[in-house]
Amino acid sequence: GAVVSQHPSRVICKSGTSVKIECRSLDFQATTMFWYRQFPKQSLMLMATSNEGSKATYEQGVEKDKFLINHASLTLSTLTVTSAHPEDSSFYICSARASGRTYEQYFGPGTRLTVT
Amino acid sequence: AQSVSQHNHHVILSEAASLELGCNYSYGGTVNLFWYVQYPGQHLQLLLKYFSGDPLVKGIKGFEAEFIKSKFSFNLRKPSVQWSDTAEYFCAVISFGNEKLTFGTGTRLTIIP
Repeated sequence: GAVVSQHPSRVICKSGTSVKIECRSLDFQATTMFWYRQFPKQSLMLMATSNEGSKATYEQGVEKDKFLINHASLTLSTLTVTSAHPEDSSFYICSARASGRTYEQYFGPGTRLTVT
Repeated sequence: AQSVSQHNHHVILSEAASLELGCNYSYGGTVNLFWYVQYPGQHLQLLLKYFSGDPLVKGIKGFEAEFIKSKFSFNLRKPSVQWSDTAEYFCAVISFGNEKLTFGTGTRLTIIP
């Protein structure tokens, strides 16, 4: 149980285009999902917290107009990188927290974004 | 604010050696502590967690960790490592009342056959 999927696993896009990444909780309902960014050989940095049906909360320094997050249902959150640039190339990981379970997060496999 | 320090950036061991990876956190209140593992090319997996009770926590694959409140530490241990333990290990903390996980910088573990 507690499986989180991400799609796509890898994406290459041209500079200036937008890319959407999906995060789904497959066998549980997730009122809260988190989006992280991981640079090579570095730790995970929290970008934003999304709650179903409300606006995402962004961490300091994360541009909310560039990284659009939508948590439209209890099993799906999306991250859209708008007008992507090469410096946005990174590994994006989502996690989901099951309803009623405050401190446990289940992680997706990540999405490797390369902007050329 | 909560923070996590992992002082060992890269550890290289031979198979069957004993392992201890350090993790220290800074937060004076109640915390929940986690160790995650990321095998090459795979996603983060939970190794073990501490919420309350016995400070010695046993996880999957023979790993254990001990919460020492007075030292603000949650070190990961394994008595005899295997080549398959080669991975990146992350310590993480959530402070009581906070929903955000804070990760340490990670320790890369390389096991030599």
